[in-house]
Amino acid sequence: SAVISQKPSRDICQRGTSLTIQCQVDSQVTMMFWYRQQPGQSLTLIATANQGSEATYESGFVIDKFPISRPNLTFSTLTVSNMSPEDSSIYLCSGGGLALGNEQFFGPGTRLTVL
Amino acid sequence: RKEVEQDPGPFNVPEGATVAFNCTYSNSASQSFFWYRQDCRKEPKLLMSVYSSGNEDGRFTAQLNRASQYISLLIRDSKLSDSATYLCVVFGNTGKLIFGQGTTLQVKP
Repeated sequence: SAVISQKPSRDICQRGTSLTIQCQVDSQVTMMFWYRQQPGQSLTLIATANQGSEATYESGFVIDKFPISRPNLTFSTLTVSNMSPEDSSIYLCSGGGLALGNEQFFGPGTRLTVL
Repeated sequence: RKEVEQDPGPFNVPEGATVAFNCTYSNSASQSFFWYRQDCRKEPKLLMSVYSSGNEDGRFTAQLNRASQYISLLIRDSKLSDSATYLCVVFGNTGKLIFGQGTTLQVKP
């Protein structure tokens, strides 16, 4: 299994500012992902974080708004840029891969409120 | 059409009841299937994988029908602690998990 931590666990931010969320996995994982979950909704994949290269974004998400880094196999960051109230959501990091039987483990999430 | 569809519920059942959730998926090339459980304000956690032959884990039984592209989860003898949202999840040929919207279960005393 894998244990994933995220920080901050929650934040309240002003419109127009940016927030960087950190994700740390306790073991090397092949795949890391960033999801968004809005109240009462299921998880929406934002992007796949690729080690040492640009992330792969899903439709509706762009690098300028959600820059992602993954400098190694156990760490990734997601930045929510130029925030607006519509960005208020829970952001979840996950990790997985063949070594984990394709199971994905999730971090506890970062609850973001934009005023 | 959504790639993974579930009835959002809520399903309100008394303790001890048997309840079944269904899920359909649209991509016939999907490779693996899972049920995740998500408690309120918590992250999703894997409940069980779903195999073509069906699989059982205690009070929980999962089944897959590839021909109909249909997945089910059966919970027997429901406990109060089973109250949660159950997410049907499909691992596609793109290497990504696709989540259904979740089915909410409330087990009442």
